[in-house]
Amino acid sequence: EVQLLESGGGLVQPGGSLRLSCAASGFTFSTFAMTWVRQGPGKGLEWVSTFSGSGGTTYYAESVKGRFTISRDNSKNTLYLQMNSLRAEDTAIYYCAKAWGPGTSVRYAFDIWGQGTLVTVSS
Amino acid sequence: EIVLTQSPGTLSLSPGERATLSCRASQSVSSNYLAWYQQKPGQAPSLFIYGASTRATGIPDRFSGSGSGTDFTLTISRLEPEDFAVYYCQQYGSSPFTFGPGTKVDIK
Repeated sequence: EVQLLESGGGLVQPGGSLRLSCAASGFTFSTFAMTWVRQGPGKGLEWVSTFSGSGGTTYYAESVKGRFTISRDNSKNTLYLQMNSLRAEDTAIYYCAKAWGPGTSVRYAFDIWGQGTLVTVSS
Repeated sequence: EIVLTQSPGTLSLSPGERATLSCRASQSVSSNYLAWYQQKPGQAPSLFIYGASTRATGIPDRFSGSGSGTDFTLTISRLEPEDFAVYYCQQYGSSPFTFGPGTKVDIK
């Protein structure tokens, strides 16, 4: 069974840092682009960042560029999101999601989602 | 950045009725890289349609997607009780891979 399991969320003060993890299983992790999407309380979905499969290209939303870093460890089947200089507006559930097609392209919809991890930025 | 606008914001319908949801893009979505997701309260989103009109695995055929360029539609031919949820469109043709604000389909 294909599964994604996020962890690492929690309460952090403004200006602080947090690293999220997404453990993948049930598919050849290295060949698929992986993405982080967030959802603020009572709000819609916001794409955050994507890491291509088999290529190493990364993409970021303007709202997080320079503060967040996406990475992956294909030997551990794990996706990461390092979040620095956190702001109150970064408070959200963070989902990781898998591209439905393999390869270097990132032009795929997201067919598998994790259950999400909650990040709260507050003093 | 491609901005997606969804209408209506809320659609109040009864089971058995037809639902028509609209997604309009601020510029053409390349190669119809447009997806629709369903999200229920407390759950992660689920992929329903990709490539503007292709149903994802396991999605019933009462769901259909259409459109091209800047105008896209998700149609639910006859609403079942489990279809009442929020639906988001998303373009994945060019970064940033933006989502629309969502349409809530609720029970009238």
